[in-house]
Amino acid sequence: IAGITQAPTSQILAAGRRMTLRCTQDMRHNAMYWYRQDLGLGLRLIHYSNTAGTTGKGEVPDGYSVSRANTDDFPLTLASAVPSQTSVYFCASRKQGAADTQYFGPGTRLTVL
Amino acid sequence: EDQVTQSPEALRLQEGESSSLNCSYTVSGLRGLFWYRQDPGKGPEFLFTLYSAGEEKEKERLKATLTKKESFLHITAPKPEDSATYLCAVQGGNAGNMLTFGGGTRLMVKP
Repeated sequence: IAGITQAPTSQILAAGRRMTLRCTQDMRHNAMYWYRQDLGLGLRLIHYSNTAGTTGKGEVPDGYSVSRANTDDFPLTLASAVPSQTSVYFCASRKQGAADTQYFGPGTRLTVL
Repeated sequence: EDQVTQSPEALRLQEGESSSLNCSYTVSGLRGLFWYRQDPGKGPEFLFTLYSAGEEKEKERLKATLTKKESFLHITAPKPEDSATYLCAVQGGNAGNMLTFGGGTRLMVKP
């Protein structure tokens, strides 16, 4: 079934540890996105990539990094996790177009202690 | 800066009791307004895209409409399985490919 997969489903992490959240899509979409969702704050964009080889900063990029080596994969790395990064993380993708729909993955629930 | 406000934050309905959810927005050059449904513990699921004022789209018991300042998601004769959080998002002309989301409306339909 075509779509977006994310791994892990959930993770508990000690503060200061490095963590990479994985995202893979098989729809050959050009653009990919990482959001975090927090109660009362809604979905906020962390980083995005309009095409393989390029990335950009969203609304809340501090403490996160991304890479886009190919079309399908868009990993999100927390270099040194802090408790404020406890959240649910969603990856999304979109095919090229003026206002094409973004499709979301199932999410990763991350707890930083 | 694009802004999206959804109301109410929560809505309780009896099965069969029709109602509407509101999404008010300010955006510089609307490229698209999107409605998503999100079930607990899952990612947002796409429902509709509206591009211009006056446009309407329907899917089963849901109908989305758009004006220059707001969008409504009308729910006709809802069923318990319609219970979810409904998210609205806009893509503006100055936002590149980024979406701005509202806080969502949590809908609970009682049998």
